[in-house]
Amino acid sequence: DAGITQSPRYKITETGRQVTLMCHQTWSHSYMFWYRQDLGHGLRLIYYSAAADITDKGEVPDGYVVSRSKTENFPLTLESATRSQTSVYFCASSVFQGGYEQYFGPGTRLTVT
Amino acid sequence: TQLLEQSPQFLSIQEGENLTVYCNSSSVFSSLQWYRQEPGEGPVLLVTVVTGGEVKKLKRLTFQFGDARKDSSLHITAAQPGDTGLYLCAGDNNYGQNFVFGPGTRLSVLP
Repeated sequence: DAGITQSPRYKITETGRQVTLMCHQTWSHSYMFWYRQDLGHGLRLIYYSAAADITDKGEVPDGYVVSRSKTENFPLTLESATRSQTSVYFCASSVFQGGYEQYFGPGTRLTVT
Repeated sequence: TQLLEQSPQFLSIQEGENLTVYCNSSSVFSSLQWYRQEPGEGPVLLVTVVTGGEVKKLKRLTFQFGDARKDSSLHITAAQPGDTGLYLCAGDNNYGQNFVFGPGTRLSVLP
């Protein structure tokens, strides 16, 4: 199916474990983003990527690592999960259509115990 | 850090009423987007406004971008229960490389 997909949709992990959240888009959009959404904080940008092999930090990058070897994939890794990383994570891609527009995946709900 | 504020935070109205939600910043944005998010789903793009003073209509929804490109409003005419959701505004402050989101307005339309 065309669009942007995330996996897994739900994940429970323990403190200290490494976790990778996957994001795949079929539009070949250059820009991709990772956000976390928490009550009281709204959507906050973790990392973004302008193209394959080009990534940059957003507002809250600490504790996260990203890579982008292919245009269509943008995985997010929590190297050593902490309880404060319990959140809903959204991946997005964007395209220029008069202005840049973002299209979001369905989200991954991550719980760190 | 550029910030976007949204008001009101919460709004509960009866079906058929009109409403306006606001998105304000002290910063200038190259464009601004409005999204609606339903529980358990990702935000869905409603509109992008680019030009200061621009007005866009999407059925019963009217979006306006402020002349100085620092603020925006969303007006819904004759609200319906299907309009219920979290409305988010987002400003593009680096030509597609960095979006700032407001905290959202949670709208509930009662039948």
